[in-house]
Amino acid sequence: EVQLVESGGGLVQPGGSLRLSCAASGFTLSYYWMHWVRQAPGKGLVWISHIDSDGSITTSADPVKGRFTISRDNAKNTLYLHMDSLRAEDTAVYYCVRDPSARGGSWAYFQDWGQGTLVTVSS
Amino acid sequence: QSVLTQPPSVSAAPGQKVTISCSGSNSNVGNSYVSWYQQLPGTAPRLLIYDNNKRPSGIPDRFTGSKSGTSATLGITGLQTGDEADYYCEAWDSSLSAVVFGGGTKVTVL
Repeated sequence: EVQLVESGGGLVQPGGSLRLSCAASGFTLSYYWMHWVRQAPGKGLVWISHIDSDGSITTSADPVKGRFTISRDNAKNTLYLHMDSLRAEDTAVYYCVRDPSARGGSWAYFQDWGQGTLVTVSS
Repeated sequence: QSVLTQPPSVSAAPGQKVTISCSGSNSNVGNSYVSWYQQLPGTAPRLLIYDNNKRPSGIPDRFTGSKSGTSATLGITGLQTGDEADYYCEAWDSSLSAVVFGGGTKVTVL
């Protein structure tokens, strides 16, 4: 059974940093593109970033570009999202998502989701 | 303001059919596969449709997807109370080099 378990969320002050982790099990992480998607309270889904199977290709959405960094450690079966210069508008539940397309881009789709971890940016 | 446009809400009686539209442009829906997700209250989203019209294992055939030009549609037949949820479309936008979602549609079973 595929499992994605996010951790690392919490309360952080504006301008602060946080690192989210996503522990993957039930499949071989190194075969898959992975994504982070967030959802602000009461709002819709917003894609944040993706990374290809070996970490050589990463792309991030404009609102987080230069502040958030996606990475992975396939040996540890773990996906990461390092977040710097956090703002109040970054407050959201952050989901780790598995993409089985093997190609990303216009072929990407989100088959498996974690339960999400809440990040609250507030003073 | 979402790149993909969905109606905020749709409703129908149990057993009836609803359709949810997802309108985009040539930089996204028109040149990308479209996926659909269901999000029940308080839970993570679930994949319903991928590659425009394919269902993952375990998704009933009451859920169908289609695409024509720059618009996509999710259909739900035999509506059940358990279908009350938010539904999102998703595609790749080549101009933004980003995945984009619709704003979501709330389905209410009357």
